[in-house]
Amino acid sequence: EPEVTQTPSHQVTQMGQEVILRCVPISNHLYFYWYRQILGQKVEFLVSFYNNEISEKSEIFDDQFSVERPDGSNFTLKIRSTKLEDSAMYFCAGGPWDNEQFFGPGTRLTVL
Amino acid sequence: EDQVTQSPEALRLQEGESSSLNCSYTVSGLRGLFWYRQDPGKGPEFLFTLYSAGEEKEKERLKATLTKKESFLHITAPKPEDSATYLCAVRSGTASKLTFGTGTRLQVTL
Repeated sequence: EPEVTQTPSHQVTQMGQEVILRCVPISNHLYFYWYRQILGQKVEFLVSFYNNEISEKSEIFDDQFSVERPDGSNFTLKIRSTKLEDSAMYFCAGGPWDNEQFFGPGTRLTVL
Repeated sequence: EDQVTQSPEALRLQEGESSSLNCSYTVSGLRGLFWYRQDPGKGPEFLFTLYSAGEEKEKERLKATLTKKESFLHITAPKPEDSATYLCAVRSGTASKLTFGTGTRLQVTL
């Protein structure tokens, strides 16, 4: 059974550096999402993406964050200038319609 | 603003000891209530979506039910491999986002 994949599994970066987290959704997915989970806390919504544009974003998703689907398969989350508080697990999710969200295994981002 | 509260925070059961997890929610126009299972260091694994009060869904030893204010995840005769954190989430109105609860950490011992 196909699964959502994410790379890298763990990313360590220095504060102020840019990071790009990558996701490969399942081929029939049309709706895409990014969530994050700070250690010991709830899973929090960041952004949803449909038809090559952002459909919804949270207050967390400020100007430091951006998403794109450059080649029709990969779905990326970029953080331009990382902060210590960006350290978290970042989950990509996708679904064939807007009421199913299948999550990937996550990328652990550590900002030093 | 959507709110989801899960209880208990943690639950320890012996193998075969059935129990229920609770998810209370406050939303404006429920579009779906979701149950996920999350193992340590992994992404949430989809279990069920419920859409309207009275609906029930089953998968192996798990059964999810929904009322207008809460959902229950019933675990019948659990096994150690059912140990995980179970997450409840809601979607409301025209929003695409899921709002998650903090989860119930379930441990099933022999």
